[in-house]
Amino acid sequence: QSVLTQPPSVSVAPGQRVTISCTGGSSNIGAGYNVHWYQQFPGTAPKLLIFDNTNRPSGVPARFSGSKSGTSASLAITGLQAEDEADYYCQSYDSSLSVVVFGGGTKLTVL
Amino acid sequence: EVRLLESGGGLVQPGGSLRLSCSASGFIFSGYAMSWVRQAPGKGLEWVAGISVSGSGGGTYTAGSVMGRFAVSRDDSKNTLYLQMNSLRVEDTALYYCVKEKYVAVSVCDSWGQGTLVTVSS
Repeated sequence: QSVLTQPPSVSVAPGQRVTISCTGGSSNIGAGYNVHWYQQFPGTAPKLLIFDNTNRPSGVPARFSGSKSGTSASLAITGLQAEDEADYYCQSYDSSLSVVVFGGGTKLTVL
Repeated sequence: EVRLLESGGGLVQPGGSLRLSCSASGFIFSGYAMSWVRQAPGKGLEWVAGISVSGSGGGTYTAGSVMGRFAVSRDDSKNTLYLQMNSLRVEDTALYYCVKEKYVAVSVCDSWGQGTLVTVSS
């Protein structure tokens, strides 16, 4: 049971927009801790996609964006492409547990 | 280019020990926090342990699931991160990733190695 809750899967048609939610609580996202997002393709290591809620590392397309409000955060992907099909994880810090925490991950399928 | 090369994984019996190493290159190792993140087969990511830069106190942090059994350390003179794993359990079976943090403190997993597989089984 992850401290950060993500939908297990989402399916969207190419070219459309998708948002993946990450719901936490008062000891993590709600406490003001930053949220980060990672993309992982099967058989490969995760890659940093969004850091500090809204920032994209160099090389990440502008189609990817992040937001945060209250006890939740979201990853949005516009103009979906087949190559976006991957697992996506959110991450933050939890002050009650005193550890870095990951969401359970969301498998994105591009129909 | 950041390169992180993990080693030391393998098959070990329950109750046994292993020491993972991560050789880093392509960046100033001593200037960044480092972490270990694991992924059990077919499962999600789990942060295991992290260590801040020595200049910031070199504080170490460990997940509750491994506290008292795992210990993270670093040797800045060798650009190497370690994870000493004792009293291993079947549920510790996973791919262990070495991670470079973005800042001096554990916070954002900036770059990832390819992982080393630890299998705990009798």
